[in-house]
Amino acid sequence: EAGVAQSPRYKIIEKRQSVAFWCNPISGHATLYWYQQILGQGPKLLIQFQNNGVVDDSQLPKDRFSAERLKGVDSTLKIQPAKLEDSAVYLCASSLVVEKLFFGSGTQLSVL
Amino acid sequence: AQKITQTQPGMFVQEKEAVTLDCTYDTSDQSYGLFWYKQPSSGEMIFLIYQGSYDEQNATEGRYSLNFQKARKSANLVISASQLGDSAMYFCAMRLLYNFNKFYFGSGTKLNVKP
Repeated sequence: EAGVAQSPRYKIIEKRQSVAFWCNPISGHATLYWYQQILGQGPKLLIQFQNNGVVDDSQLPKDRFSAERLKGVDSTLKIQPAKLEDSAVYLCASSLVVEKLFFGSGTQLSVL
Repeated sequence: AQKITQTQPGMFVQEKEAVTLDCTYDTSDQSYGLFWYKQPSSGEMIFLIYQGSYDEQNATEGRYSLNFQKARKSANLVISASQLGDSAMYFCAMRLLYNFNKFYFGSGTKLNVKP
């Protein structure tokens, strides 16, 4: 079974630039999560999709972050413009209804 | 508000000894699941163990066991016979089964196993 795919693995940008991350969940997983993990901290939920609808985006900084899930499958998370404090690992995870989360390898973002 | 609390930022344990990592949770939901994940320095998130809120017996997975005390809202992870490869960050997490499957993580505990 293929796992959760994320790209790119690493990204370095300057502040005020834009960046996009891509995630392809495990086939058949209806729920998709994007987390932000700052070094030394726990994952913080940015947005949760159920199929292609948003379930929770209460902690998404909507003035600069956006996300979409096309046709209920893969998803893109965008930051525009990036700030220094956005430096973190962005984790994508997917699951069936009551199962554990399956995580991708993450995208490590450095904003200079 | 739902919340997961891990009060031990860092811990040391001697190799081959047992260690307990603390986790308390707060929810008004009756149906939830509790999870522990391990995150080594490579960054991957590795699922360790799961406990459902209606499970009467504590979950066990090999050297991992979950000490579930529902009345105290605690879900501590016990690692028996620690190994050097157990050195990692450990996260407690909670899933709300009838609240859109929201999934919350604690702040983590950094475990260092000493030879």
